[in-house]
Amino acid sequence: DARVTQTPRHKVTEMGQEVTMRCQPILGHNTVFWYRQTMMQGLELLAYFRNRAPLDDSGMPKDRFSAEMPDATLATLKIQPSEPRDSAVYFCASVPGGGQPQHFGDGTRLSIL
Amino acid sequence: SQQGEEDPQALSIQEGENATMNCSYKTSINNLQWYRQNSGRGLVHLILIRSNEREKHSGRLRVTLDTSKKSSSLLITASRAADTASYFCATDQGAQKLVFGQGTRLTINP
Repeated sequence: DARVTQTPRHKVTEMGQEVTMRCQPILGHNTVFWYRQTMMQGLELLAYFRNRAPLDDSGMPKDRFSAEMPDATLATLKIQPSEPRDSAVYFCASVPGGGQPQHFGDGTRLSIL
Repeated sequence: SQQGEEDPQALSIQEGENATMNCSYKTSINNLQWYRQNSGRGLVHLILIRSNEREKHSGRLRVTLDTSKKSSSLLITASRAADTASYFCATDQGAQKLVFGQGTRLTINP
């Protein structure tokens, strides 16, 4: 079965460091989403792309977060500088087209000390 | 803010019993989806029900949708230990964006 692949699965780093999370969507899926999951806020949409173009990043703190899709097989989410409140699980999901279910990766568990 | 609100937040039942989870939402939708999340894993899609549908089945899953009450329910029949997970409803308001509820944590006791 085709899967969304996220790396790294776990990341522990000190505050102030740059963090880069990567996602390989399922081949042929044209829309890619980034979510953040915490106990307090639940699952929040940070940003999403269609055909590699950013459609909505209103859920993302602009001063420190950036999301890109350099090509159709790679999406990245960067945090610079990182803060302890960024500790969460970050998920990537992709979807083949309108009205279809989303396919999630297993997430990157990020801890900022 | 969360679109979907789920009820109950946690549910613990015996294996073999049925489990029912409810979801309420606030605005009009194109479809409503249910996902399962096992501990430490990503969400897995279970079932999608469109706004013009009232009921849908998939194996031991039954989903209903009442757009007049802006609510949906997920029924899992003959529960198994492997059904232990968190279950989320998500509403599609267009542009493929989903808004997720806070989830119901289901525990099936052997």
